[in-house]
Amino acid sequence: DAGVIQSPRHEVTEMGQEVTLRCKPISGHDYLFWYRQTMMRGLELLIYFNNNVPIDDSGMPEDRFSAKMPNASFSTLKIQPSEPRDSAVYFCASSGGTWAGDEQYFGPGTRLTVT
Amino acid sequence: AQKVTQAQTEISVVEKEDVTLDCVYETRDTTYYLFWYKQPPSGELVFLIRRNSFDEQNEISGRYSWNFQKSTSSFNFTITASQVVDSAVYFCALLSGIKAAGNKLTFGGGTRVLVKP
Repeated sequence: DAGVIQSPRHEVTEMGQEVTLRCKPISGHDYLFWYRQTMMRGLELLIYFNNNVPIDDSGMPEDRFSAKMPNASFSTLKIQPSEPRDSAVYFCASSGGTWAGDEQYFGPGTRLTVT
Repeated sequence: AQKVTQAQTEISVVEKEDVTLDCVYETRDTTYYLFWYKQPPSGELVFLIRRNSFDEQNEISGRYSWNFQKSTSSFNFTITASQVVDSAVYFCALLSGIKAAGNKLTFGGGTRVLVKP
């Protein structure tokens, strides 16, 4: 299996622009997670989906952030408008979800820089 | 509430030395899972191990070993005979509050391991 795929790997944008991050989970995995990693806050869970349905979005920082999962093989995380404090590495992860303790497999991350 | 504490922010060793990474967790649940992930300089997060709360057996995988002690709420990780390729940030994580759709990992702050040749 190709693993979790994320694109782009790097994104540099100006403040106020819309940013869309993309993720393709491992085929057959029922859970998809979006995380953000910063020096100050470490790894934070933003939102996760089960069978394409958002289950918990309590980690989404504010209304500028939105996530969708239109089908089992694709998810997006959108920031509109972007701000410099959104600069971070964004990870997507997926897990089999057949039982709660399944390990999560992470993508390579998208490094976002907002100037 | 769930919490994971990795008190060591950075450890520096010389190649072939052993290094132990501490992980202390907090949870009120009786069913939970503990994980270790490795984040090498390339940035991706690599799954290393999962343990459930009912299995306190220690585990060894090559040069890696894990010591799980419920009495002290600790899940420590030892790298034996460290190598330069072990240089990475290591994260301990906790999954608890198990529900039908509960799968939220709580991560510790990470420990950066630097292995010098």
